Order: sequence, then C-alpha cells, then structure tokens
Amino acid sequence: EAGVAQSPRYKIIEKRQSVAFWCNPISGHATLYWYQQILGQGPKLLIQFQNNGVVDDSQLPKDRFSAERLKGVDSTLKIQPAKLEDSAVYLCASSLVPEARNTEAFFGQGTRLTVV
Amino acid sequence: AQSVTQLGSHVSVSEGALVLLRCNYSSSVPPYLFWYVQYPNQGLQLLLKYTTGATLVKGINGFEAEFKKSETSFHLTKPSAHMSDAAEYFCAVSDRLTGGGNKLTFGTGTQLKVEL
Repeated sequence: EAGVAQSPRYKIIEKRQSVAFWCNPISGHATLYWYQQILGQGPKLLIQFQNNGVVDDSQLPKDRFSAERLKGVDSTLKIQPAKLEDSAVYLCASSLVPEARNTEAFFGQGTRLTVV
Repeated sequence: AQSVTQLGSHVSVSEGALVLLRCNYSSSVPPYLFWYVQYPNQGLQLLLKYTTGATLVKGINGFEAEFKKSETSFHLTKPSAHMSDAAEYFCAVSDRLTGGGNKLTFGTGTQLKVEL
C-alpha cells in the first residue's frame, strides 16, 4: 500500500513570496490533515478535511494560508505571502474512517520550508 | 482544551538500558492516547495507541505504554534500548467526545539518544 505522498521535500523562498505544497493521501482515506511542525515543537494541526469539505480550520492563519482539497483526494496548502516564522515542516496525514476517532493517521514525510 | 506535557526534551540512555519517556495529559475526559516516532527527515510513525480496554498497550519495536488514569499519564517504555531507537518521540491525544475524526494534539517531543 502506497503511503501519503508529499512534494516538494524541501523549499527555500524569500519572505513575501508565495509557496504551495501538495499532498496525495492514501487511496480511500476520507480524512486529510495538514500539520505545521516548527523546529523544537510538536506538530500543530492547521486544517482538517473530510472528503472535500473543511471540518476544522480554526488554527489556520487565514490571512496568508489557504488550503483546498478538490474532488476529495489530493490537497494543496498555500502560503502567500510567506513570513520568516512560517519556516517549518509541513506534514500531511490521512486517515480512513472519519467517524472513528481512534483510527490511525498516516503521515507523509513532510515538506521542509525555509523562509529567508 | 486538551494539552500534552512531555517531561524531558532530551533523554540519553546506554544501549541495553531501560527506556522511559514520560507523557502526561490534561483533559476533563481521558482522551485517546498515542505515541509516535519520528526519524530524521521522516514523517511520523505510530508506535502504539490506547483507546479502551487493557491499560498496558504493546506497540512495535518492543515499546509499550501504560495508561494510568489516576496519574493522567501514558509513559512509554522499552526494556532494552537499541541504537536504532534513537529518534524523536511524540506523545499525542485526541478527544473522545468531539466529532471530526482523530485530530491530534501533540506534545513537544523527546529526543532519545542511545549511547554505546
């Protein structure tokens, strides 16, 4: 079974530029999550999708971050414009059954963003 | 709101020694509990989880954890450390009561170093 795929693996941009990350979840997984992991901290949930609808985006900085999951499969996370404090690893995860709160979330390898 | 505290951001043990990584949670209702491991430049991999039933949970790679409600703890142990266990370990919780799948709240992580 293929895992969660993310691209690119690494990205370096200047502040005020824009950047986009892509995630392809495990086939059949209805729920998709984007997490932000700042160096030295645990991952923090940014947004959760169930199929192509947003379930929770309460911690997404909406003035600069946006995310979409068209057709309920792939997802993109965009930052525009980027700030220095956005430097982090962006992790995508997916899980099978959204209603079952104890199902396992599978994580991709992440995209490491450096804003200079 | 839930929170997770991991005592000790860095733990160092000798190969063959006991590994003990501490995790305490704060929640009005005992949450679902998870331990994840993260190797350098990799995503998160689930080690084990507690949802219900037996409070001693066995996971992969010889790790186990015990849920102690009275202590609001879910410490991770392994009887004998191996060099390959060197990684960062994250304790995480998800809310049993609210809907929307298993959104995870992570601790800040513990970096495990294994020395010869």
